[in-house]
Amino acid sequence: EIVLTQSPGTLSLSPGERATLSCRANKTVLYHHLAWYQQKPGQAPRLLISGASRRATGIPDRFSGSGSGTDFTLTISRLEPEDFAVYYCQQYGSLLPWTFGQGTKVEIK
Amino acid sequence: QVQLQQSGPGLVKASGTLSLTCAVSGGSISSSNWWSWVRHSPGKGLEWIGEVYHSGGTNYNPSLKSRVTISIDKSKSQISLKLTSITAADTAIYYCARGDYSDNYWGFDYWGQGTLVTVSS
Repeated sequence: EIVLTQSPGTLSLSPGERATLSCRANKTVLYHHLAWYQQKPGQAPRLLISGASRRATGIPDRFSGSGSGTDFTLTISRLEPEDFAVYYCQQYGSLLPWTFGQGTKVEIK
Repeated sequence: QVQLQQSGPGLVKASGTLSLTCAVSGGSISSSNWWSWVRHSPGKGLEWIGEVYHSGGTNYNPSLKSRVTISIDKSKSQISLKLTSITAADTAIYYCARGDYSDNYWGFDYWGQGTLVTVSS
């Protein structure tokens, strides 16, 4: 099983600041198999990024993804008030069972 | 716009069977997509349960495989989840989701609204 470890657990930032979220895997994840999701309270997760760097339909360009192998990053260039949420990475397609990271909470400082 | 509408009881007795359905609209359930069930609990975070293809083929998480059945009914355009021998550890929000891998970019692009399932003793 591929275990995904996200860091930090919580990120306290102000609107307008840059957020950098990390996702590390214990085994190689093919780049096109790494996805990022945003989840707000009471809502289902929303796909932000697939293939490590491709934004899903309707996702603003302040969200960007990068990385390969075992190290991946989600960057939010300038935090908007609606961006404060929990973010999850997922490997989907590299190795069954598909797995998620434990999440990074981005909270208002 | 694809929509996934979940239904099923929110309260299940311990040792019983959890049964949920997910109706697909706005798109074909027979498209080249796998349809998954995912659950979210405070203790385990997001956990993938398993998936089904329109052919009826399935993949399951080994941690739940002995208790899970996921099926597809193309005539009703819906997928179903059954989880047997329920315990308190199965209390979670359950989601259905569509797996997309078009252009070789993989992700769960559409999700159901979620169903909170509580296990009662």
